[in-house]
Amino acid sequence: EEQLVESGGGLVKPGGSLKLSCAASGFTFSTYTMNWVRQAPGKGLEWVSAISSSSIHIYYADSLKGRFTVSRDNAKNSLYLQMSSLRAEDTAVYYCARDQYGTYTFDYWGQGTLVTVS
Amino acid sequence: QSALTQPASISGSPGQSITISCTGTSSDVGGYKYVSWYQQHPGKAPTLMIYDVSNRPSGVSNRFSGSKSGNTASLTISGLLAEDEADYYCSSYTSSSTRVFGGGTKLTVL
Repeated sequence: EEQLVESGGGLVKPGGSLKLSCAASGFTFSTYTMNWVRQAPGKGLEWVSAISSSSIHIYYADSLKGRFTVSRDNAKNSLYLQMSSLRAEDTAVYYCARDQYGTYTFDYWGQGTLVTVS
Repeated sequence: QSALTQPASISGSPGQSITISCTGTSSDVGGYKYVSWYQQHPGKAPTLMIYDVSNRPSGVSNRFSGSKSGNTASLTISGLLAEDEADYYCSSYTSSSTRVFGGGTKLTVL
């Protein structure tokens, strides 16, 4: 069974840094594009970043302005999000989500990890 | 990239049908078949309901259907059940190779 488990969230001060992780299991992680999606408290979903299976193609939401860096380690079946220069508006639940083969669709999601910037 | 436009809320009675719209531009919804819909219950992660405009993943009820006309996609839920009460989000691929979500629609089953 496909499973995504995020970790690394917590309380961080404005201007600080944090690295999130997403552990994948139950599927061949190295063959899928992966994404980060966030949701501020009481707000809607916001796409953050995507990284292709071999890390060749990486994309970010314009709003991040270079503060976030996505990476992956296929040997460890893990996805990462390095966040820096954090602001109060980055407070959110961060989800990792898998792209369905052959389409730009988030077919599996983790349960999320909460990042609080305060 | 601006968020796609969805109604903030919609309601219906059990057994009725409702349709949620999702309006974008020719650079996202109108330009690609990659429109998807997600259901999110409070405190839970989103789940995929419709992909590529009108396809249903296995396990999703055939009461859920999707369509698109021009720059507007739609999700229709027929035969409303109490368990359908949730937030619904559309998403689209964009011409910048990014993704964009709608603002979300809160469905209330009266």
